[in-house]
Amino acid sequence: DAGVTQSPTHLIKTRGQQVTLRCSPKSGHDTVSWYQQALGQGPQFIFQYYEEEERQRGNFPDRFSGHQFPNYSSELNVNALLLGDSALYLCASSLGTWGQPQHFGDGTRLSIL
Amino acid sequence: AQSVTQLGSHVSVSEGALVLLRCNYSSSVPPYLFWYVQYPNQGLQLLLKYTSAATLVKGINGFEAEFKKSETSFHLTKPSAHMSDAAEYFCAVSEAGGTSYGKLTFGQGTILTVHP
Repeated sequence: DAGVTQSPTHLIKTRGQQVTLRCSPKSGHDTVSWYQQALGQGPQFIFQYYEEEERQRGNFPDRFSGHQFPNYSSELNVNALLLGDSALYLCASSLGTWGQPQHFGDGTRLSIL
Repeated sequence: AQSVTQLGSHVSVSEGALVLLRCNYSSSVPPYLFWYVQYPNQGLQLLLKYTSAATLVKGINGFEAEFKKSETSFHLTKPSAHMSDAAEYFCAVSEAGGTSYGKLTFGQGTILTVHP
């Protein structure tokens, strides 16, 4: 049973560019959440998708957007990249009910030059 | 609003010694609480969760945690440390109900070092 898979594993971009990160949830999960983990910090919640809709959003600017597809996979898009966007981006999947644990992928390491 | 404080950004123990990682939380509604472990260059792996059943929760790899409402704490323990336990540990909280939809709020993490 495959867990949460993310692609690519590493990415290097320059300031001002745009990037798309991808996530396939664990089999049977219908909810996808995205987190940003800066070096030496705990993960910060970006947003959560359920039934192809953004259900909740953290304190991130509109440059961060996402999408969920009918098969529950998800994309995270970041426009106008800034140096401060350099981080590990983690995708987590879960069943869409409270208290269900989120299962994380290994993340995409994004470096901005 | 919910928040998590992990006391001690670094904890060092000898192999075979007790491991104690501290976590205090703040939540306006009854919380769900989780401990995750992160090995270098990997994502987060769930160790255990508290979801309002038994206050003493047993997890994987010999870890356990006790929910103490009066102290708003959820400390992680393991009786005997192993070298393979060296990693970074994160405590996280989500709110039971409301509009949080299971959003996780994490602490800053505690790096556990195990000496031979």
